[in-house]
Amino acid sequence: AQSVTQPDIHITVSEGASLELRCNYSYGATPYLFWYVQSPGQGLQLLLKYFSGDTLVQGIKGFEAEFKRSQSSFNLRKPSVHWSDAAEYFCAVGAWTGNQFYFGTGTSLTVIP
Amino acid sequence: NAGVMQNPRHLVRRRGQEARLRCSPMKGHSHVYWYRQLPEEGLKFMVYLQKENIIDESGMPKERFSAEFPKEGPSILRIQQVVRGDSAAYFCASSPPETADSNQPQHFGDGTRLSIL
Repeated sequence: AQSVTQPDIHITVSEGASLELRCNYSYGATPYLFWYVQSPGQGLQLLLKYFSGDTLVQGIKGFEAEFKRSQSSFNLRKPSVHWSDAAEYFCAVGAWTGNQFYFGTGTSLTVIP
Repeated sequence: NAGVMQNPRHLVRRRGQEARLRCSPMKGHSHVYWYRQLPEEGLKFMVYLQKENIIDESGMPKERFSAEFPKEGPSILRIQQVVRGDSAAYFCASSPPETADSNQPQHFGDGTRLSIL
């Protein structure tokens, strides 16, 4: 069965600190993996995606993620968090198009000064 | 190139009324997906449509919910006889035909926040 697990419901970090958000997935075929960010009252913005090639992918806003097939993980990282990064982050897995995405339950990020 | 447009942004209904949510996909996109986001939950797939066809409705509740994507005009998600449990954010996404180039498979709208009194 297809599913995505984000084990951390809420994370608080200090501004300037590093960040890692965890994502584990289960998918029957070769997965396309995505990280989205949602600011309050807004839609989803794509941060980055992975479907083949280099397992370390770079995204917007200084984010990166590493695909580890052996661990079925696709963790999101940022070396130095900014206050504007406070938001909800969703990991998703799916086909490229023509099929639904499976989303994790999200990780809420709070950034303190 | 305008993104996925959803309206209204906020919708308030009383129990028993009907809610109609609209989604205009991005230009050139022929695939539409509807997702529901309940408080403290991720997005859950509801239905996938192409023009005039429902491709996958495995996530749709069996009663009161329906969706369409007519040849002309936006996609409509319709909820009849709404109940308090229907209160949620409903997101629409669109994607181009499978043969088209795209650097992003599904583009999301800003959602419709539905509140049931």
